[in-house]
Amino acid sequence: DSGVTQTPKHLITATGQRVTLRCSPRSGDLSVYWYQQSLDQGLQFLIQYYNGEERAKGNILERFSAQQFPDLHSELNLSSLELGDSALYFCASSSNYGYTFGSGTRLTVV
Amino acid sequence: AQKVTQAQTEISVVEKEDVTLDCVYETRDTTYYLFWYKQPPSGELVFLIRRNSFDEQNEISGRYSWNFQKSTSSFNFTITASQVVDSAVYFCALSEARQGGSEKLVFGKGMKLTVNP
Repeated sequence: DSGVTQTPKHLITATGQRVTLRCSPRSGDLSVYWYQQSLDQGLQFLIQYYNGEERAKGNILERFSAQQFPDLHSELNLSSLELGDSALYFCASSSNYGYTFGSGTRLTVV
Repeated sequence: AQKVTQAQTEISVVEKEDVTLDCVYETRDTTYYLFWYKQPPSGELVFLIRRNSFDEQNEISGRYSWNFQKSTSSFNFTITASQVVDSAVYFCALSEARQGGSEKLVFGKGMKLTVNP
């Protein structure tokens, strides 16, 4: 167990729907990062939150949004889903001591 | 902009062979971190190493070793006496290391290693 918890592990949904992915960072870590791994784009950084504030933004679509709550857990919201959004979504947290990934959420859009 | 290139996309070896995975990076930052991750068929990303740009010493951990050469912007990874359990996709990654900056990772495209018995 890496200490970073992601739920759910698998998600199957239809096009046009909205889903929420959840991440709890390792205890004490203030930063949460979201990454998308797809066959054509590889592993790409989406967005980072640090202690509740957005710190960096990557290749995140406008249909996607994220937030980090006071207890430091984070949610990634994906809306108006398309077939191409099918991917493995990873959350990671970091501190001065390291960078740890959760086990990922595999999203399948049908 | 930061960039990581893993020129090899796929390598197949026979057990007990040594194999080196190449990684070349580009960055304008003077301080940065380099990483290697392993992604086995189960899908999780397993941390292998993080190296600070100021530390050019090579590192060895069991059958794994890393060669960091700033002069050629390379951070290569060698598996000695490979085993079937080493079969996975390996990613090299880069992040900045500025105080207050974002340690978002820029990944290479990955290299699939298959170790055959």
